[in-house]
Amino acid sequence: AQSVTQPDIHITVSEGASLELRCNYSYGATPYLFWYVQSPGQGLQLLLKYFSGDTLVQGIKGFEAEFKRSQSSFNLRKPSVHWSDAAEYFCAVGAGYGNKLVFGAGTILRVKS
Amino acid sequence: NAGVTQTPKFQVLKTGQSMTLQCAQDMNHNSMYWYRQDPGMGLRLIYYSASEGTTDKGEVPNGYNVSRLNKREFSLRLESAAPSQTSVYFCASSERLAENYEQYFGPGTRLTVT
Repeated sequence: AQSVTQPDIHITVSEGASLELRCNYSYGATPYLFWYVQSPGQGLQLLLKYFSGDTLVQGIKGFEAEFKRSQSSFNLRKPSVHWSDAAEYFCAVGAGYGNKLVFGAGTILRVKS
Repeated sequence: NAGVTQTPKFQVLKTGQSMTLQCAQDMNHNSMYWYRQDPGMGLRLIYYSASEGTTDKGEVPNGYNVSRLNKREFSLRLESAAPSQTSVYFCASSERLAENYEQYFGPGTRLTVT
């Protein structure tokens, strides 16, 4: 069965510092991978997605993610974090035909000034 | 466009009570979904509807029913609420039922069952 692991429940970074959020997936076929962000009290917003092709994908708000098949990873990065990036981040994998996403448990990002 | 809207935003129920969570989208999407979000577990799919007139079970369907009322609306019903159903419920929609179509999420309904 498909699964997604986000090893870090909480991460705190200083404003202006770089960020990397980890995501590992388990899926037998070529995965469809997503990163979503959830601000407090809000729904989820898609940051970026990977379907095929270039393994480095660019998203909104200055985020990028790199797909590494050999490591079954899809880590999210941002070179310089802003206070407004404080939120919860979810990695998800498309679980076969039907757009049934399997989500990781989420990583809460805190940004300190 | 309002996108995906959900009502109510908050609800408190007693064990055994019933209620319906409403969801509507104005993007002319074919597919709609209901998820629940619990701390430390991410989002889990309850039910989904590939298109108007069809519904299917997701990962955690027990204790829930759904109705795809028309293309715009997809409701989730709890017939006899239990404390284990305390959660935040999200509705989502996508143009089609395939992974390469983005899902758009509503703001959520926070449900507490006492």
